Amino acid sequence: GAGVSQSPSNKVTEKGKDVELRCDPISGHTALYWYRQRLGQGLEFLIYFQGNSAPDKSGLPSDRFSAERTGESVSTLTIQRTQQEDSAVYLCASSLDLGRTYEQYFGPGTRLTVT
Amino acid sequence: GENVEQHPSTLSVQEGDSAVIKCTYSDSASNYFPWYKQELGKGPQLIIDIRSNVGEKKDQRIAVTLNKTAKHFSLHITETQPEDSAVYFCAASLGGSYIPTFGRGTSLIVHP
Repeated sequence: GAGVSQSPSNKVTEKGKDVELRCDPISGHTALYWYRQRLGQGLEFLIYFQGNSAPDKSGLPSDRFSAERTGESVSTLTIQRTQQEDSAVYLCASSLDLGRTYEQYFGPGTRLTVT
Repeated sequence: GENVEQHPSTLSVQEGDSAVIKCTYSDSASNYFPWYKQELGKGPQLIIDIRSNVGEKKDQRIAVTLNKTAKHFSLHITETQPEDSAVYFCAASLGGSYIPTFGRGTSLIVHP
């Protein structure tokens, strides 16, 4: 079946603009995760959803970052007033449920470049 | 919280050689240790994992070992092939609903 998909694959934006990154998880997966991967760094956990609910938003780097999920399916990560340090690959993953965080399936990522 | 250190950051080997990537973790309660392979332009893919109740696990040319006392675990790839070239990430987790903590990654280059 189809895996996790993300769009766009690449996004170049000017400093100060807002961007929206989209994630379509595997059908039937109720848990969804967002990570940030800076060049040469590991995966930095941002936020997770169980269904449409995000119980813990403490991983988001600043209040410019927000995320939502609707219909227990697609999720969007929004970055307002982008800064150059936001440049990174943003990865989305999903798992069957939150009890299976160890079985996460990752999408290909969105490479965000802020100029 | 958990802290995962991964070494080396870059590993270059000749085709056919073995490659070893090592990770240490800080939280003795961690009990699940997955390894991911990330090819260029793709998301990480789970390739093997090990739980704290075993010391070694093998799957064809890859194996993972775990030393709970020393809090370190390693990925071993034998008879490396050019298609093994990728970035490898280790992670440690308390299992269940706990989000894994990832290492910084190792870029493995296998020269034909």
